[in-house]
Amino acid sequence: NAGVTQTPKFRVLKTGQSMTLLCAQDMNHEYMYWYRQDPGMGLRLIHYSVGEGTTAKGEVPDGYNVSRLKKQNFLLGLESAAPSQTSVYFCASSYPGIAGLKNIQYFGAGTRLSVL
Amino acid sequence: ILNVEQSPQSLHVQEGDSTNFTCSFPSSNFYALHWYRWETAKSPEALFVMTLNGDEKKKGRISATLNTKEGYSYLYIKGSQPEDSATYLCAYPKTSYDKVIFGPGTSLSVIP
Repeated sequence: NAGVTQTPKFRVLKTGQSMTLLCAQDMNHEYMYWYRQDPGMGLRLIHYSVGEGTTAKGEVPDGYNVSRLKKQNFLLGLESAAPSQTSVYFCASSYPGIAGLKNIQYFGAGTRLSVL
Repeated sequence: ILNVEQSPQSLHVQEGDSTNFTCSFPSSNFYALHWYRWETAKSPEALFVMTLNGDEKKKGRISATLNTKEGYSYLYIKGSQPEDSATYLCAYPKTSYDKVIFGPGTSLSVIP
């Protein structure tokens, strides 16, 4: 009963390093999202995908790239990490269709990233 | 209102007290309103999905109401318990098929 799984759970990077965060879901959801959570800011959408092979920018996309090569996976990349990207990153997935339940988000456990 | 707003930002109540907080959202082109509960060191989990004006949903001691015409929803907790301590988020799906906008949350602490 995995749901949404994020790896890694913690990571420390030096400024300028790159890394990829992996999100995997086993619920056959069409939509997947990457958020960042900062104190006092709530959840802010970085990028999202409404299906395999598609991605779109959210609220705060700068400095991040994403890919959705397989329906179950959504990758978030930081090409050149900056201290401003220190945050907790959450992946979520959702399904369209069922009336009243559209876009209910199912979240992963989060990835805590520190950029020094 | 262009975004989703929540008030108060934080709340401290004694065990046994009842409490409520507010989510405000754009009243035009309403689609749905979600409430999530987010416990410390965990991830947000959906509490309620509200779609119709006048909706009232209940789960145990927690209930929520919806007014789509004026653009607000209330979350009520009756007889608060320490395990109710969490951040409560509301979220507004901006259109029918893509992203949702989350409010900043109300952080509830229930003091034993």
